[in-house]
Amino acid sequence: DGGITQSPKYLFRKEGQNVTLSCEQNLNHDAMYWYRQDPGQGLRLIYYSQIVNDFQKGDIAEGYSVSREKKESFPLTVTSAQKNPTAFYLCATHHSSNQPQHFGDGTRLSIL
Amino acid sequence: AQSVTQLDSQVPVFEEAPVELRCNYSSSVSVYLFWYVQYPNQGLQLLLKYLSGSTLVKGINGFEAEFNKSQTSFHLRKPSVHISDTAEYFCAVIEGQGFSFIFGKGTRLLVKP
Repeated sequence: DGGITQSPKYLFRKEGQNVTLSCEQNLNHDAMYWYRQDPGQGLRLIYYSQIVNDFQKGDIAEGYSVSREKKESFPLTVTSAQKNPTAFYLCATHHSSNQPQHFGDGTRLSIL
Repeated sequence: AQSVTQLDSQVPVFEEAPVELRCNYSSSVSVYLFWYVQYPNQGLQLLLKYLSGSTLVKGINGFEAEFNKSQTSFHLRKPSVHISDTAEYFCAVIEGQGFSFIFGKGTRLLVKP
């Protein structure tokens, strides 16, 4: 089945540690996105990528980094510089401008 | 600049009653509009979309929405809700040729027995 796979579903970060969230898609969509979701705040864009080897900062990129070496993969690293990383992280893909985004099932990141 | 406003953060309703979740947007160009549903600890699932044509759009699970260009609204409706409709609902917009989606802050629909 075509879809978006986010892993792990739950992740715990220790103080000063970098962690990487995985997002893989087999929909053959060009664009991929990372959102952060906090209660009552909706979805906030962290990074997005329209093509391989290119990505742009979203509204809340500080403390995060991404790479886009393959069309299928768009991993997100939450660095130690992100002081409040506890949130639900959603990966999405998009094919063309008049089509909806498709979402993965999310990764919940917590602080140990 | 684009923005999406969901006027109600929470809507409580009794089972089998009708419901309307409100969404207003601002944009100076043509837009595409979407409603998504999110169940706890899951991603967003598309309910329906407006791209062009008929302003009344039907989606999954018995939901429908009406695009009103003059009022820049895209309200979501269901004539009779079920307990299983309890979830968070998000309205989203994207401008014609863009890649940036703008989401509302969500409305929590709470269906009571």
